[in-house]
Amino acid sequence: QKEVEQNSGPLSVPEGAIASLNCTYSDRGSQSFFWYRQYSGKSPELIMSIYSNGDKEDGRFTAQLNKASQYVSLLIRDSQPSDSATYLCAVINTGGFKTIFGAGTRLFVKA
Amino acid sequence: GAGVSQTPSNKVTEKGKYVELRCDPISGHTALYWYRQSLGQGPEFLIYFQGTGAADDSGLPNDRFFAVRPEGSVSTLKIQRTERGDSAVYLCASSRTPGAETQYFGPGTRLLVL
Repeated sequence: QKEVEQNSGPLSVPEGAIASLNCTYSDRGSQSFFWYRQYSGKSPELIMSIYSNGDKEDGRFTAQLNKASQYVSLLIRDSQPSDSATYLCAVINTGGFKTIFGAGTRLFVKA
Repeated sequence: GAGVSQTPSNKVTEKGKYVELRCDPISGHTALYWYRQSLGQGPEFLIYFQGTGAADDSGLPNDRFFAVRPEGSVSTLKIQRTERGDSAVYLCASSRTPGAETQYFGPGTRLLVL
């Protein structure tokens, strides 16, 4: 089992729709969770961080965390073509600062 | 202010050669991370520095890989006896403090081993 798993996609949604990206992790003691966006040929950039169970909203983005289910998700409302990118889920392992990334989900937003 | 910089941006080398990749973190950031990213994959953790010391080097694939950060700022990733399988984008990131802080990534060094 991979430490951080994501559906590789591609996920295709029409402009204006909600895109839902999911991630599961294996280290039950993990406390810090991140979503990064990576455009083709570019470096990852942080979108959201979440540390507590529940929802965290920032503009069009909502991160959801369920530690009991070891599940993290990212919702993108009113998706725009500029949101087309690979979305990486990242988890910091228990007791340390080692960050484990998933393989990423490719998102395409069709105009 | 300036972001994380990495040099060179591209490096082509022959199998068996030695390479050095440099990372200059954001000023004042004490934590520095090296990752390796292959096509279609997420960044793979290699090593993490807190100050001058390697706090976690568990991701280094073998003893051909070594990294230093002698003055707690610039870091160099060193790869000996390069192999074709080492070809990847090597990413460096820094954060103000370790753990929960945002990591800021550099543009990466694209390494190609022929």
